[in-house]
Amino acid sequence: RKEVEQDPGPFNVPEGATVAFNCTYSNSASQSFFWYRQDCRKEPKLLMSVYSSGNEDGRFTAQLNRASQYISLLIRDSKLSDSATYLCVVNMGNTGGFKTIFGAGTRLFVKA
Amino acid sequence: NAGVTQTPKFQVLKTGQSMTLQCAQDMNHNSMYWYRQDPGMGLRLIYYSASEGTTDKGEVPNGYNVSRLNKREFSLRLESAAPSQTSVYFCASRLAGTDTGELFFGEGSRLTVL
Repeated sequence: RKEVEQDPGPFNVPEGATVAFNCTYSNSASQSFFWYRQDCRKEPKLLMSVYSSGNEDGRFTAQLNRASQYISLLIRDSKLSDSATYLCVVNMGNTGGFKTIFGAGTRLFVKA
Repeated sequence: NAGVTQTPKFQVLKTGQSMTLQCAQDMNHNSMYWYRQDPGMGLRLIYYSASEGTTDKGEVPNGYNVSRLNKREFSLRLESAAPSQTSVYFCASRLAGTDTGELFFGEGSRLTVL
């Protein structure tokens, strides 16, 4: 089982739609969580961190469920410019150090 | 701001050739990383340097070597390239090895080994 798993998609949605992605992680000692965005043939860039209480940044909402070991990303009112691959990233470790694990990504296509 | 700069952006090698990917960051970060990204897989860590003067193996180090030349620069060397090393390589940096915060990436280097 992969340490971080995502539905690869693609998700094809019309402009204005609401779309949600989930990501599961295997290590219950995971410490911090992020969503990165990667445009085609570009480098990953941080979209948002995921906090235990859930957090929102404009049209984007991220949530963490530690009991079920998953994080989610909700995009409301999708724009054409939201088309990208969304990477789930988990830092897992202990006092001896930690490692950063990337999911393989979920592809989103937003159509006019 | 330049951030993280990688060179070259594209390279084609023949099996057995060697090459070095260069990476430099201007954010005064202590930790630097080399990842490879293959279709259908997450970024996988090749080597990292938690601070100047130290390097450690990541998940997939075989066939690679690294050098942390100074605080700014971290290079990745392929001594004898193999087709399995065809990939997109990303250099990244982070403020400190103990910092679980944001990773900043270079634009990537696309390597094809024939």
